[in-house]
Order: sequence, then structure tokens, then C-alpha cells
Amino acid sequence: GQQLNQSPQSMFIQEGEDVSMNCTSSSIFNTWLWYKQDPGEGPVLLIALYKAGELTSNGRLTAQFGITRKDSFLNISASIPSDVGIYFCAGQLAVESNTGKLIFGQGTTLQVKP
Amino acid sequence: EAQVTQNPRYLITVTGKKLTVTCSQNMNHEYMSWYRQDPGLGLRQIYYSMNVEVTDKGDVPEGYKVSRKEKRNFPLILESPSPNQTSLYFCASSPRGYTDTQYFGPGTRLTVL
Repeated sequence: GQQLNQSPQSMFIQEGEDVSMNCTSSSIFNTWLWYKQDPGEGPVLLIALYKAGELTSNGRLTAQFGITRKDSFLNISASIPSDVGIYFCAGQLAVESNTGKLIFGQGTTLQVKP
Repeated sequence: EAQVTQNPRYLITVTGKKLTVTCSQNMNHEYMSWYRQDPGLGLRQIYYSMNVEVTDKGDVPEGYKVSRKEKRNFPLILESPSPNQTSLYFCASSPRGYTDTQYFGPGTRLTVL
């Protein structure tokens, strides 16, 4: 199936540092979503993006829908210990619009050292 | 409390023994979906349903069946489980579609020996 390449796979950072992660594909997407999964839980939606170039914030989180529609970025500013978890990008391919299909990236595992 | 419930939470079974994982939501959501999560692969969509009696294949439907006879329930059926179906399974629902906030269940950890 189609692939979303998410990087980095894992990050170990100091509390207070900023974090960046991204997802790329060779295909065009019409929606990008960013989720966070806490240990032992299901993913929770953080940010949804619907238009190329769109920049959206949710507290200390900011995500952007890439201009080429083939990538998206998530930034976390001033990280805190509760940011620990796995972050997933997800998206819908433009060729699959009007379906309910969703593709997830492999995830970025974030660890924050107090 | 608004929630998605899955049962069982943990299951160990043997190859070929049919099993069903139930999923139920109490939010009157139209859209429901099943995912499996494997290390290094993220979540992969198995099947989804846009509404009652409407189901469609996701990325990895082989070896799975679903049904959506009523709005609140979306069971996942493994007719003849195999070891490569050992995984963590999540059910999710949202009001209208995948772009709405999807509420995920707590997960079902399945081991097929």
C-alpha cells in the first residue's frame, strides 16, 4: 500500500527544547492529521490540516500542510515531560477523496528528560 | 460517558480458531474504523464503515471481516487467525468521517500461536 515516511523514528530531548518531526510521501494528500498516543492508550487527534500551506496551532503545537501537498510538519515548542509519547501523522490521498481511507506514518517516539 | 469500548482487551488464541473482537460506541457516530498497530509500521487501516450496512476495505483487509448491522457496533472477525495477525487492534469512531476527531478505543492485544 501507499507509504508515509515519518521521521525521525525517535527523539530523546531535554525538557524545554523544541521538537520537529515530519511526514513525506511521493503522493499528493488532501488532508493531514497529527495524533499523539500515550502509553497503553489509543491515539488522540492533535491537529487537522485541510489546505496546502495551512499553518495551525494547538497550544505549544504547530503543524503545517506542505505547499507541495506531499508533506507535513509538526513542531512542539518548549517541551515538557507530559509530551512523552508516540506521534503519528496520518493523511488521505487525493486520489482517494470521498472515501474513508486513512494512511498513518510509522510514528515518532518522543522521550523528554526532565 | 462518551466512549468506544472494545472486548476483549487481551486474547491469546491458536491458529485457525475463529474469533470476534467487538467494538461499540455510544456517541451515535456514523463512521467507524478498525486499525492494527505493529512496531515500526504505525497504524494500518483494516476496514472502515461510513454508515450502517456500508463497509469498505482499508489498506490491509486480508484475513479479516467486518459487519455494520447497527450504528453502534462494528465487530472485527477473524475467520481463521494466523500468527501474522498477532497485533494490537484499535477500533475508532467519528461523527461523519475520518477528518472529524476520531475517538479510539482502548485497544485489543491479540496473540495467535
